[in-house]
Amino acid sequence: GAGVSQSPSNKVTEKGKDVELRCDPISGHTALYWYRQSLGQGLEFLIYFQGNSAPDKSGLPSDRFSAERTGGSVSTLTIQRTQQEDSAVYLCASSKGQGRETQYFGPGTRLLVL
Amino acid sequence: GESVGLHLPTLSVQEGDNSIINCAYSNSASDYFIWYKQESGKGPQFIIDIRSNMDKRQGQRVTVLLNKTVKHLSLQIAATQPGDSAVYFCAENIPSGSARQLTFGSGTQLTVLP
Repeated sequence: GAGVSQSPSNKVTEKGKDVELRCDPISGHTALYWYRQSLGQGLEFLIYFQGNSAPDKSGLPSDRFSAERTGGSVSTLTIQRTQQEDSAVYLCASSKGQGRETQYFGPGTRLLVL
Repeated sequence: GESVGLHLPTLSVQEGDNSIINCAYSNSASDYFIWYKQESGKGPQFIIDIRSNMDKRQGQRVTVLLNKTVKHLSLQIAATQPGDSAVYFCAENIPSGSARQLTFGSGTQLTVLP
């Protein structure tokens, strides 16, 4: 079956512009996660959605970052007024969401802020 | 705070040899562990997992060992192949009401030499 997909695969933007990153989770997965990975680093948790519950936003680094999940499926991560330090790979993952399930990752969106 | 960490940031092995990648965790409440493989330009890929009620689990050419006494996790890859070259992350799950409690280590770069 289809895995997690993300778009765009690469995004180059200018400092101060807003960007939107999209994630399509695996069908039937109720949990969706966003992570950020800087060059040569591990994964930094950003936000987590589980079904219709309020999202866990505890990992968002600033109020310039926000995310939504429409219809319990597709999610969009928005970064407003981008800064150069926002340059990273943004990874989305999904899981069945019933507990300690494996998270399956998409290929990521590589964001470069000039 | 408590965190997951790796002993070695890089590991080079000869093709055909066995590889051992180590991971230390400090949260004694963690009850589920996962190893991910991340190839260049791709998202992390699930390799194998283990629950805390086990001390060993085997997959195809991979074995995960868990030593809860010293809070140590290892990934063994038998007959390492060039395609095994990647960054390997361990992740731990801390049981809580939220399924998102998956904490990732910083990763080990495995390089397979011809």
